[in-house]
Amino acid sequence: AQKVTQAQTEISVVEKEDVTLDCVYETRDTTYYLFWYKQPPSGELVFLIRRNSFDEQNEISGRYSWNFQKSTSSFNFTITASQVVDSAVYFCALSEAGGSYIPTFGRGTSLIVHP
Amino acid sequence: EAGVTQFPSHSVIEKGQTVTLRCDPISGHDNLYWYRRVMGKEIKFLLHFVKESKQDESGMPNNRFLAERTGGTYSTLKVQPAELEDSGVYFCASSQDSLYGYTFGSGTRLTVV
Repeated sequence: AQKVTQAQTEISVVEKEDVTLDCVYETRDTTYYLFWYKQPPSGELVFLIRRNSFDEQNEISGRYSWNFQKSTSSFNFTITASQVVDSAVYFCALSEAGGSYIPTFGRGTSLIVHP
Repeated sequence: EAGVTQFPSHSVIEKGQTVTLRCDPISGHDNLYWYRRVMGKEIKFLLHFVKESKQDESGMPNNRFLAERTGGTYSTLKVQPAELEDSGVYFCASSQDSLYGYTFGSGTRLTVV
């Protein structure tokens, strides 16, 4: 079973729509970290956020927000009022003590924002 | 500060040839990681260096892959001989402290034909 599941392979929206990217993880560790990375068409992986397992507060950064819920082992990412520049592949990742904190990635969700 | 640099950015080689990918981590970062993403699949861990030592190479697919990090600075990943299934994007990442996030390079897109 995958440790990080991003069930949405591709999402297509029209500019200004809100969109949520799902991430479900699996771990037995009590101490772990969750990440989101963005891979724009240029190819690099851009760090967006890191959240540790003891901090369930939701976070907002501009149009981006993250909803961490340990009860459902989910760390979902919402983009409000999407823009064409948001088009990219987004990866969710988990690093856990049992894995020497080396990140395990999901398969990524390709977001296409149409003008 | 300069980021993680990888080159080449793209490489197209024929099956059976040899290719060497290079990664220059952020200066001072002891931890260096190699990952690979095959089209449409997850980014998979290959190996982890701490300085010049291989800390974990459990993700290396087979003995056609050889990674080195001489002097604990830049790292190379050699594929010899390359096979079609080796095609993908190879990412390198570095970190000072593995708990606090990783900086990734732009990746090398390898195509084996």
